[in-house]
Amino acid sequence: QVQLVESGGGVVQPGRSLRLSCAASGLTFNMYSMHWVRQAPGRGLEWVAVISHDGSDERYADSVRGRFTISRDNSRNTVNLQVNSLRGDDTAVYYCASRSGLYSGFDYWGQGTLVTVSS
Amino acid sequence: SYELTQPPSVSVSPGQTARITCSGHALPKQYAYWYQQKPGQAPLLLIYKDTERPSGIPGRFSASSSGTTVTLTISGVQAQDEADYYCQSQDITGTYWVFGGGTKLTVL
Repeated sequence: QVQLVESGGGVVQPGRSLRLSCAASGLTFNMYSMHWVRQAPGRGLEWVAVISHDGSDERYADSVRGRFTISRDNSRNTVNLQVNSLRGDDTAVYYCASRSGLYSGFDYWGQGTLVTVSS
Repeated sequence: SYELTQPPSVSVSPGQTARITCSGHALPKQYAYWYQQKPGQAPLLLIYKDTERPSGIPGRFSASSSGTTVTLTISGVQAQDEADYYCQSQDITGTYWVFGGGTKLTVL
């Protein structure tokens, strides 16, 4: 079955960086666009970024553009999120999610990795 | 920035019908999606392309679209349906994704 497993979260000081990773299995990874979605404690879902199936297109939410970078390695079935210049309001569970087609929703989700920004 | 508006909460008794609305000016142009999220779990896709249900999603979950409002309907609500529900769509250009603020469904 499809599995998405995030890693790389932790406690980090404001202004520092982290690299989040998502390992995918059970799907033809290079056919899926991949997204990162975050959820601050007790809050709703916030879309963060997307990378196209072949890595040729990236888009970001206004709140993270210029600080976060999404990338993927189709040979390793992984998608990454480099998060720089972290702020307190970046504290959240970060989920990776896959989208299989033009009209599909976010079909599969990982269980998330928690990023806590605190001094 | 583009926003989708949902009621913060909806309450229904078991067996009744729950309706959760989502409003956004781009919804006539962009498909809507619905997700269920239970505490401590990742979201689960309930509805895609406005009204389509993925395999494995019970038939009591349905959705409709009318103008700038989409509606998730849960018929014969069960205790296990108590969860947060989120609508999702894209901005008018199809560039960015956005989630509604979420609706907490309480089964009385």
